[in-house]
Amino acid sequence: KAGVTQTPRYLIKTRGQQVTLSCSPISGHRSVSWYQQTPGQGLQFLFEYFSETQRNKGNFPGRFSGRQFSNSRSEMNVSTLELGDSALYLCASSLASADNEQFFGPGTRLTVL
Amino acid sequence: GEDVEQSLFLSVREGDSSVINCTYTDSSSTYLYWYKQEPGAGLQLLTYIFSNMDMKQDQRLTVLLNKKDKHLSLRIADTQTGDSAIYFCAERATGTASKLTFGTGTRLQVTL
Repeated sequence: KAGVTQTPRYLIKTRGQQVTLSCSPISGHRSVSWYQQTPGQGLQFLFEYFSETQRNKGNFPGRFSGRQFSNSRSEMNVSTLELGDSALYLCASSLASADNEQFFGPGTRLTVL
Repeated sequence: GEDVEQSLFLSVREGDSSVINCTYTDSSSTYLYWYKQEPGAGLQLLTYIFSNMDMKQDQRLTVLLNKKDKHLSLRIADTQTGDSAIYFCAERATGTASKLTFGTGTRLQVTL
């Protein structure tokens, strides 16, 4: 069965622009979580969506937002990009919220110039 | 609050056992996880343990949990060069839905 897919895999933007990243969970999984990975801060939780509802949110500014569609696919959006937003953005899916197993996609590498 | 710590680097010889350690602070942790990340890739779930267990074995992997000391370890038997990667431990606390709090990661280098 196909794993978690993320598109695009690589993205280059300039400061002030906005960006939308997409995540398709494993078939049948209804929970999608997003994480930001940077060398300085490590892996940090952004938010989780389950059944199109945000279940939990990390400590990120309002420029970071997300949504989930009825087919469980999720998007995250970052507006007014800053240099510090350069990171690997990972999404993870699980069957349900608070499920034991979460499976990660390959990530989207965002570079902000 | 939640805080997870790991040592940054471990070097072992091929064929030896590797032990990667992790400490966490949140006493409400329900599940503790080990993930592996290879260069340029996402995170691969290796194994996880429920907080009321003290050991779990899965082929070459053994997880030990000391809940009193909030200490988690991952032992890899017969370490191979393909095990070279960064290993992250993570905890999931009660009431946080799917949120995982990750450690800083331990880079495992396997030498011949």
